[in-house]
Amino acid sequence: NAGVMQNPRHLVRRRGQEARLRCSPMKGHSHVYWYRQLPEEGLKFMVYLQKENIIDESGMPKERFSAEFPKEGPSILRIQQVVRGDSAAYFCASSPYRDRAAFFGQGTRLTVV
Amino acid sequence: SQELEQSPQSLIVQEGKNLTINCTSSKTLYGLYWYKQKYGEGLIFLMMLQKGGEEKSHEKITAKLDEKKQQSSLHITASQPSHAGIYLCGARPLNYGGSQGNLIFGKGTKLSVKP
Repeated sequence: NAGVMQNPRHLVRRRGQEARLRCSPMKGHSHVYWYRQLPEEGLKFMVYLQKENIIDESGMPKERFSAEFPKEGPSILRIQQVVRGDSAAYFCASSPYRDRAAFFGQGTRLTVV
Repeated sequence: SQELEQSPQSLIVQEGKNLTINCTSSKTLYGLYWYKQKYGEGLIFLMMLQKGGEEKSHEKITAKLDEKKQQSSLHITASQPSHAGIYLCGARPLNYGGSQGNLIFGKGTKLSVKP
């Protein structure tokens, strides 16, 4: 059973471009969580999705950021018009049910130049 | 809003020594999770605690959740260099008798083990 797969592992974007981060949850997991981690800081919750639905997006910036988890295919975290402050490691996690342990991917390291 | 405080922020121990990391919540928790992160990598799930007073062990690591479900400790016995990393506690806030669903995290405890 493959773990949570995130791609790409590293992504470089120029200011103003769009960044698309993908997350394929573990088989049988329908709950997906996205987090952002800045150097020397903790994991900040961004958004919680369950197949086609956004359950909680209280940690997501209101502008430029969006997330989806379609019926078929991976979950996507999309950042439009990236700025230098968006540079961070973005982690995705998945769980089979709402209250079970979440398993993490290896992350996507976004660098905005 | 729910917050998790971890202590200490960092810890350097001699190989073979025991150590304890603490995680305190500002509110009652629905569930408490411990993870380990190596630099530049994703989080590895260690243990999950849900019941007040619950204690779980895996190899040389023991985690406990207090009766009030607001404080947890992670204890490592006879530490080894392989235990080095960042330990994070995560929790699902309690909401109307159930969980809110999302997981929040403390800032982590950086553990170094000197050979």
